[in-house]
Amino acid sequence: DTGVSQNPRHKITKRGQNVTFRCDPISEHNRLYWYRQTLGQGPEFLTYFQNEAQLEKSRLLSDRFSAERPKGSFSTLEIQRTEQGDSAMYLCASSLASGTGTGELFFGEGSRLTVL
Amino acid sequence: AQTVTQSQPEMSVQEAETVTLSCTYDTSESNYYLFWYKQPPSRQMILVIRQEAYKQQNATENRFSVNFQKAAKSFSLKISDSQLGDTAMYFCASNAGNNRKLIWGLGTSLAVNP
Repeated sequence: DTGVSQNPRHKITKRGQNVTFRCDPISEHNRLYWYRQTLGQGPEFLTYFQNEAQLEKSRLLSDRFSAERPKGSFSTLEIQRTEQGDSAMYLCASSLASGTGTGELFFGEGSRLTVL
Repeated sequence: AQTVTQSQPEMSVQEAETVTLSCTYDTSESNYYLFWYKQPPSRQMILVIRQEAYKQQNATENRFSVNFQKAAKSFSLKISDSQLGDTAMYFCASNAGNNRKLIWGLGTSLAVNP
C-alpha cells in the first residue's frame, strides 16, 4: 500500500492526557500537511512541512500542539494536556511540491480523537 | 487573501439524475488550481476532479465535469447519472501559486436517493 497512513485510527483519552498521532506520507512526497476536521465542517489547516522543515503553523495551533517531521519522512502530531475541544478528526495529507505540481493532496483516513 | 465559497450546505438528487454543486472563489493570483474533493461518510477524502486555471477547457472525469468560468470566478461540479455511492460531502478548494496550502469551502452534503 503506497497511500498515506495514519495511526491510531481512533484514540479515546481523558482530559489532561497527552496524545500523539503518526502520519506516514506517500514515500516520494516532500510536503506533509496536518488538518483538523470537526463533524460537518471542512478541513482546518494546522501546519505543513516541506521535507523536515515546518514552513507554516496556523494561529489555531496553540502551544499545546506540536508537530515534527524529523527525517523528512513520517510526521507526528502531539497534543499535550488535551481538552474536550480538541475532540476532532486529525487528517494528514501529502503532496509533491514542484514547479509543475498541481498541489493535489492525498489524504490518509484520519485519526479520530475523543477527549472525555 | 484567497476565499472559497460553497453556498449550498445540503443538496439531494434522485439516483440516475444530474446535480450541480456550486463554488465561487476569489484570488489575485494568475496561476492556480481548483479542486473538488469528495468525503464519503466515515471515509477518507479523495480527489474528484481538478482544473488548471490557465486551461479554458473544462475538466471531465467520467460522470464528473466542471463548469469553470474564470471571469466570474465560478467552479461548479456536475455529477451525471448520480449513483448511491456519490452520497458524500463535497468540498471545493483552491490552490494558488506554487503548491501553497489549499483553501477550502465549507462543503456541500449531497444525498443521492434511490
